[in-house]
Amino acid sequence: GAGVSQSPSNKVTEKGKDVELRCDPISGHTALYWYRQSLGQGLEFLIYFQGNSAPDKSGLPSDRFSAERTGGSVSTLTIQRTQQEDSAVYLCASSLVLGRNLYGYTFGSGTRLTVV
Amino acid sequence: GNSVTQMEGPVTLSEEAFLTINCTYTATGYPSLFWYVQYPGEGLQLLLKATKADDKGSNKGFEATYRKETTSFHLEKGSVQVSDSAVYFCALRFIQGAQKLVFGQGTRLTINP
Repeated sequence: GAGVSQSPSNKVTEKGKDVELRCDPISGHTALYWYRQSLGQGLEFLIYFQGNSAPDKSGLPSDRFSAERTGGSVSTLTIQRTQQEDSAVYLCASSLVLGRNLYGYTFGSGTRLTVV
Repeated sequence: GNSVTQMEGPVTLSEEAFLTINCTYTATGYPSLFWYVQYPGEGLQLLLKATKADDKGSNKGFEATYRKETTSFHLEKGSVQVSDSAVYFCALRFIQGAQKLVFGQGTRLTINP
């Protein structure tokens, strides 16, 4: 598509439930990133995919968080047994990477997750 | 590790005032530097970038110069408008491969008419 698409745009869930957040990157973008933006905080890196593999998962805050990417395209971020501190805006970005050439990120509009 | 420190907000200015938002970084090596902007209700957008020392990035009247000696990338605009009200993020990234962007904490800017 023309941009990075994230769904749902808003999600309210009860504490303890599992949630899935979806990201559709720009077609052809090989790199995909998940970030989290909490109220009053900056952007916290969660995980990065190159193709379907995740060379950098260093930002996942706990084992309740996982992500996968299939077909080098769509990615799903899953949060199990949600906690109130998981409430945040989850942002996805994609980027084209060719050798040493630096191409910019394109961000989606995010999924606002509220755990009640 | 690599990190970015931004001037704390919120910053409130009157229209046509001069704007500076400070940004300094800590990195091993020489990253590329970026300013991203998030307008109310919208996603993050790239505002400007600089890929090597002494480069100046510019866009929409905003400028920032990559200063290796002071490890800084301060954002400036000579005359701000109400439409510049947004959250501004400084970030760094290395060119090699698909390295992640490392962001500062963001600075909320409000411009009053």
